[in-house]
Amino acid sequence: KAGVTQTPRYLIKTRGQQVTLSCSPISGHRSVSWYQQTPGQGLQFLFEYFSETQRNKGNFPGRFSGRQFSNSRSEMNVSTLELGDSALYLCASSPEGPVSGANVLTFGAGSRLTVL
Amino acid sequence: QKEVEQNSGPLSVPEGAIASLNCTYSDRGSQSFFWYRQYSGKSPELIMFIYSNGDKEDGRFTAQLNKASQYVSLLIRDSQPSDSATYLCAVIPFSGGYNKLIFGAGTRLAVHP
Repeated sequence: KAGVTQTPRYLIKTRGQQVTLSCSPISGHRSVSWYQQTPGQGLQFLFEYFSETQRNKGNFPGRFSGRQFSNSRSEMNVSTLELGDSALYLCASSPEGPVSGANVLTFGAGSRLTVL
Repeated sequence: QKEVEQNSGPLSVPEGAIASLNCTYSDRGSQSFFWYRQYSGKSPELIMFIYSNGDKEDGRFTAQLNKASQYVSLLIRDSQPSDSATYLCAVIPFSGGYNKLIFGAGTRLAVHP
């Protein structure tokens, strides 16, 4: 069973640009979450999608947005990049439903964004 | 007060010893608790999840949950150098909603031969 796939793995942008990151969840997983990881703030929740609907959102500015497609694949977008947006962006999926560990997240390898 | 607190370490233990990692959380209504391991440069991988008070064992790992005291711990028996990593405690708070995990800052574990 393939894991969570994130693309691109590495990218470099300059301030003011925008970036789109992609995530393909584990087959059958319908919930996709996004997290930002930085040395100073650790792992922070960005948002979570289920059946193409954003169910939950963290405390990030509106420059951070996301969406989920009918095949459960998800994208997140960051507009008007700032230096502080440099981070590892992690996508995770979970199975949901009446199973043990339904809310257990499996993380992808991450997309490392550097903003210059 | 942070929602999930962990000692940042490093926690240094000799090979073969028991490593004890602790985590406290602030939301008394939290129901789901997780331990993830993260090697340097890698993404977090799940070690265990626990929902009920008491102990849950999986191989060399034991998770312990005490909701009354609002702490969750992870014991690693027969620690190996390959266990050297950062261990992240995560909680879904009652107020958090679906799959919104709040992570602690992590405890760095170093197992020396």
